[in-house]
Amino acid sequence: EPEVTQTPSHQVTQMGQEVILRCVPISNHLYFYWYRQILGQKVEFLVSFYNNEISEKSEIFDDQFSVERPDGSNFTLKIRSTKLEDSAMYFCASRDRGLAGGRDEQFFGPGTRLTVL
Amino acid sequence: LAKTTQPISMDSYEGQEVNITCSHNNIATNDYITWYQQFPSQGPRFIIQGYKTKVTNEVASLFIPADRKSSTLSLPRVSLSDTAVYYCLVGDGNDYKLSFGAGTTVTVRA
Repeated sequence: EPEVTQTPSHQVTQMGQEVILRCVPISNHLYFYWYRQILGQKVEFLVSFYNNEISEKSEIFDDQFSVERPDGSNFTLKIRSTKLEDSAMYFCASRDRGLAGGRDEQFFGPGTRLTVL
Repeated sequence: LAKTTQPISMDSYEGQEVNITCSHNNIATNDYITWYQQFPSQGPRFIIQGYKTKVTNEVASLFIPADRKSSTLSLPRVSLSDTAVYYCLVGDGNDYKLSFGAGTTVTVRA
């Protein structure tokens, strides 16, 4: 069964450093997402991406964040200058297409645990 | 997006049926009801989706009354491995994002 993969599984970085989290969505999917989950808290939407551009972003997704689909398979989240409060689990997700009134299943990856020291 | 309300936690024992009710009083005509499951340190996983009446798959059943202001996820004969957080989400499928609440933490004991 196809699945979303993410690398690395755990990233430790120093405050102020740049990090890039990588995701390989399911190959025929068209919509891509990043979510994060701070330990013990709910899953929060960061950004959605469709047709090579950002479709929607949350207030969390400020100028320090960027996303890119550099080729036909990878989807990346970059944090330019990490802060302590960026420590969280980051999940990538993908979806086939937006069928009005249809099944709206997003497939999530296993996540990358980001620890900012 | 319609706001949802579900219990914070539920305890059960192996072999029992677990029913989690979600309230969504402001559900819109085009909205579907979707449930996700999340195990510790894993991403959420789609369980089931429905619009009205009853939907059943290999994992769960979803009961939706005629007014659609609530829904009940039913997990038959739970096992220890069903211990997880279960999220109820409501949307029309055209939203780009999923909006997760706190979910219901289901703990299954031996």
